[in-house]
Amino acid sequence: QVQLQESGPGLVKPSGTLSLTCAVSGGSISSSNWWSWVRQPPGKGLEWIGEIYHSGSTNYNPSLKSRVTISVDKSKNQFSLKLSSVTAADTAVYYCARDTAMVTGWFDPWGQGTLVTVSS
Amino acid sequence: SYELTQPPSVSVSPGQTARITCSGDALPKQYAYWYQQKPGQAPVLVIYKDSERPSGIPERFSGSSSGTTVTLTISGVQAEDEADYYCHWGVFGGGTKLTVL
Repeated sequence: QVQLQESGPGLVKPSGTLSLTCAVSGGSISSSNWWSWVRQPPGKGLEWIGEIYHSGSTNYNPSLKSRVTISVDKSKNQFSLKLSSVTAADTAVYYCARDTAMVTGWFDPWGQGTLVTVSS
Repeated sequence: SYELTQPPSVSVSPGQTARITCSGDALPKQYAYWYQQKPGQAPVLVIYKDSERPSGIPERFSGSSSGTTVTLTISGVQAEDEADYYCHWGVFGGGTKLTVL
């Protein structure tokens, strides 16, 4: 079955750029699915960041759109997240997930998540 | 933009039925999904398309929809069901902490 694994730096300096990668195994990123990023600040709820299709089409949360870029690397079967101009408010566990439809699909499965702390 | 509203907490005794609601103006026209999240773990899909269960999810989990509200029902609650539950359709609800007394 499909499994997802996030990777990337666990510490990012304020005003810097957060960069994470999600490796997909057990299935092809070029299947008929979207692929999403979701984050969860410590002790708080879930927030959808954005999604990408293997064609490169993207949709972003309007509240983060100006700072987010999601890209796909089909040769490596992975997709990536970049979040620029980060502040302490961007400290969160970041999850990647398979997304069944554009914008309004359900997410299954999820990666285990990776904690990113924004601090100097 | 729209919102999905959940109660912050629900408490039930073992063996009882827990009902967690999620309200939103967009819901009558669309499906909703539910996730269970235990401490330190990633969310897990428990209900999709209002009432469908993924393989491996116990039958005691069910979903329903009426008007602008969708409901996750857990029948015969067990201690292992204690978790945070999130509804989702485009955006996530704020989450409901289910406590098993």
